[in-house]
Amino acid sequence: AQSVTQPDIHITVSEGASLELRCNYSYGATPYLFWYVQSPGQGLQLLLKYFSGDTLVQGIKGFEAEFKRSQSSFNLRKPSVHWSDAAEYFCAVAYSGAGSYQLTFGKGTKLSVIP
Amino acid sequence: GAVVSQHPSWVICKSGTSVKIECRSLDFQATTMFWYRQFPKQSLMLMATSNEGSKATYEQGVEKDKFLINHASLTLSTLTVTSAHPEDSSFYICSAGGTNYGYTFGSGTRLTVV
Repeated sequence: AQSVTQPDIHITVSEGASLELRCNYSYGATPYLFWYVQSPGQGLQLLLKYFSGDTLVQGIKGFEAEFKRSQSSFNLRKPSVHWSDAAEYFCAVAYSGAGSYQLTFGKGTKLSVIP
Repeated sequence: GAVVSQHPSWVICKSGTSVKIECRSLDFQATTMFWYRQFPKQSLMLMATSNEGSKATYEQGVEKDKFLINHASLTLSTLTVTSAHPEDSSFYICSAGGTNYGYTFGSGTRLTVV
């Protein structure tokens, strides 16, 4: 069965510092991978996605992620964090089910940014 | 880009009443929509997959008679929480599209049952 693991429940970084959020997945086939961001009381906004091709994916707001098949990982990175990046981040893998692709989410990583 | 509108964003209802939540794809047609439930400080749990013109597919443990899903058109899916109880209080989020769109999400509905 598919699963997504985000090992870090909560990360705190200083504004301007670099960021890496970890994500590992378990899925038998080639995965479709996503990173979403959620502000409190809001829906999810797609940051970036990987389907195939270049394993380094660029997203919105200066985020990028690298797919590493050998490590079953899809870590999210940002070179310089801004205070507005404080939010909850979810990694997800799409899998085929019920005639369509469905998403399985990790438990999320809460990012706090120190001014 | 793909936009999904969810309404209402916040609702309070009395125990025993029913609440309907709408999910609309504004600029694309969605043959499939998904309904999630999110408890405080937790991840999203898929409740059901809504397919236009057919019955929804519910995840294990989700009561289909309590959470009625209707997907009558290519742009609208509704979730009705019937005979709501306080334990149904939660944050409900819909999404539409697919792998190409990256599963666009609505802004969520905060349901409080008193």
